[in-house]
Amino acid sequence: DAGITQSPRHKVTETGTPVTLRCHQTENHRYMYWYRQDPGHGLRLIHYSYGVKDTDKGEVSDGYSVSRSKTEDFLLTLESATSSQTSVYFCAISDYGGGKNIQYFGAGTRLSVL
Amino acid sequence: SQQGEEDPQALSIQEGENATMNCSYKTSINNLQWYRQNSGRGLVHLILIRSNEREKHSGRLRVTLDTSKKSSSLLITASRAADTASYFCATAPGAGGTSYGKLTFGQGTILTVHP
Repeated sequence: DAGITQSPRHKVTETGTPVTLRCHQTENHRYMYWYRQDPGHGLRLIHYSYGVKDTDKGEVSDGYSVSRSKTEDFLLTLESATSSQTSVYFCAISDYGGGKNIQYFGAGTRLSVL
Repeated sequence: SQQGEEDPQALSIQEGENATMNCSYKTSINNLQWYRQNSGRGLVHLILIRSNEREKHSGRLRVTLDTSKKSSSLLITASRAADTASYFCATAPGAGGTSYGKLTFGQGTILTVHP
């Protein structure tokens, strides 16, 4: 988890409220990713970023948006939280382009939508 | 859609035994990686094998890759209770466009090693 901080670590919210999760890195990696992890589904990519202000959709992007205004911060927003978005969210960074394509993960945020 | 499918879904063994986990994938790959996740934590990279490699070792880990069968296996030798975790394979797409470093993860194998 070194170099990657996710906040908050736990959050309980109500259906219909907006929620923002933050991922902060100190590694100066260009590539950042948001995943959700659910039983029976493994990790699924929500959105990713390949540079400041450069983002794109992943496999399960509906209901989520992202922003990256600085290299070190990648924000994930649930515009109007639903119970189906109850999950564990992981941020990852990558040294892709540096030759190895390995991802490094944060400790995760456990989100409950009631 | 899931690129990697892993089996078994769960594996329970005694300390000192070997543990073997398998991963199958569907499309061409540049490399295949294995990650470990301890309960309540993020994933940690274990080992990467490139598409032109057939076998790779790292400590007690041995990974094989058969691109003709689109499958890989992870062998942990002389397992320890501390190896108890979930193990995931992840594939990086093959040639053709920019992948932006994206990986596709399997659903994982839960390994329990009993002392």
